[in-house]
Amino acid sequence: ELKVEQNPLFLSMQEGKNYTIYCNYSTTSDRLYWYRQDPGKSLESLFVLLSNGAVKQEGRLMASLDTKARLSTLHITAAVHDLSATYFCAVDIDYKLSFGAGTTVTVRA
Amino acid sequence: ETGVTQSPTHLIKTRGQQVTLRCSSQSGHNTVSWYQQALGQGPQFIFQYYREEENGRGNFPPRFSGLQFPNYSSELNVNALELDDSALYLCASSLDGAGGYTFGSGTRLTVV
Repeated sequence: ELKVEQNPLFLSMQEGKNYTIYCNYSTTSDRLYWYRQDPGKSLESLFVLLSNGAVKQEGRLMASLDTKARLSTLHITAAVHDLSATYFCAVDIDYKLSFGAGTTVTVRA
Repeated sequence: ETGVTQSPTHLIKTRGQQVTLRCSSQSGHNTVSWYQQALGQGPQFIFQYYREEENGRGNFPPRFSGLQFPNYSSELNVNALELDDSALYLCASSLDGAGGYTFGSGTRLTVV
């Protein structure tokens, strides 16, 4: 059974500092997604990583994928309040997504 | 190009009742997947429909069933509702199931 583990589950960030969220998974896959979810809302797609070594960046967020280590990271640079949300990674196996438990991020001044 | 629309947005049902949730896929997409997201958890895969046929199912009992129509819209039916069925139900559409998932805004189901 595929397991997708995110850590940390909760992250209190100070504005202006850098942080990383980790996503480990137990079965080979070369497709991984990162989503953002605001309270009571649906999932907003952040990144699609489709190959080993893939790196994508958008604003203060950068995601990478190491399929050999079965690890993806979401790096946040110079955190700002607008980044407060829950972030999920999802591994695609046979075009079905298995999600991690999510990392709830709170950015404080 | 329209996105994925789900209806209703909120629903309250009594334990033992039946419920139908609806999803209109994004234009051009022929695959719809359904997910259940309990409060404080990540979404769990329920099942997927591709060209009107079920194409994979997660660890959910048979009282969770679905349909996909010729226009690729889809329904999720849940019979004999239990309190634990209270959750946000998300549908996602894609083309040929090949990634590029677009999620709808979800239906919040509360079972009392």
